[in-house]
Amino acid sequence: AQSVTQLDSQVPVFEEAPVELRCNYSSSVSVYLFWYVQYPNQGLQLLLKYLSGSTLVKGINGFEAEFNKSQTSFHLRKPSVHISDTAEYFCAVTSNNNDMRFGAGTRLTVKP
Amino acid sequence: DAGVIQSPRHEVTEMGQEVTLRCKPISGHNSLFWYRQTMMRGLELLIYFNNNVPIDDSGMPEDRFSAKMPNASFSTLKIQPSEPRDSAVYFCASRISGGAGETQYFGPGTRLLVL
Repeated sequence: AQSVTQLDSQVPVFEEAPVELRCNYSSSVSVYLFWYVQYPNQGLQLLLKYLSGSTLVKGINGFEAEFNKSQTSFHLRKPSVHISDTAEYFCAVTSNNNDMRFGAGTRLTVKP
Repeated sequence: DAGVIQSPRHEVTEMGQEVTLRCKPISGHNSLFWYRQTMMRGLELLIYFNNNVPIDDSGMPEDRFSAKMPNASFSTLKIQPSEPRDSAVYFCASRISGGAGETQYFGPGTRLLVL
């Protein structure tokens, strides 16, 4: 079965600074990778996903992620964050067995 | 599109009571997932349906939990009897059945508190 590790439980950053949220996965088969964002008292919303092809994936709200098969990573980046990016971010992995596994989440706090 | 609809949004009940959570998936979606989110265990998949048929219920914690999907537009998750450790946020998600790479769309969740 696949699994996901989000290396940072909390990431504080100042507004307009760049940010990287780290995600590593383990799987013995080909995977699909996802980043979801959860705002307070809301459900999860897809930011971006990697299925195949180009390893650099662009998503909504200026986020992007790079799939690195050799390092089994799928880190999320944004060059300049806003206050409104404050939320919980989840990395997830699944394969053709439809068993989606989520990481523990990273709480991004953007400070003015 | 209204998105995935869940009800109730909040539920407070006493230990031993029956709790029923409801979900209406996005029209045209034929895969449905139930998740539980807690601080201790994060997001856990409880069960998922494909074309109204339960495919994998290995995440259901115990016999007190049951889920049904009588038609393509409605699913329930029932806990009977409820216990304080069942307190969590329960999410329903749906997607088209194009495969595991398809996006799951989440509802707003039901926040359950069992006293």
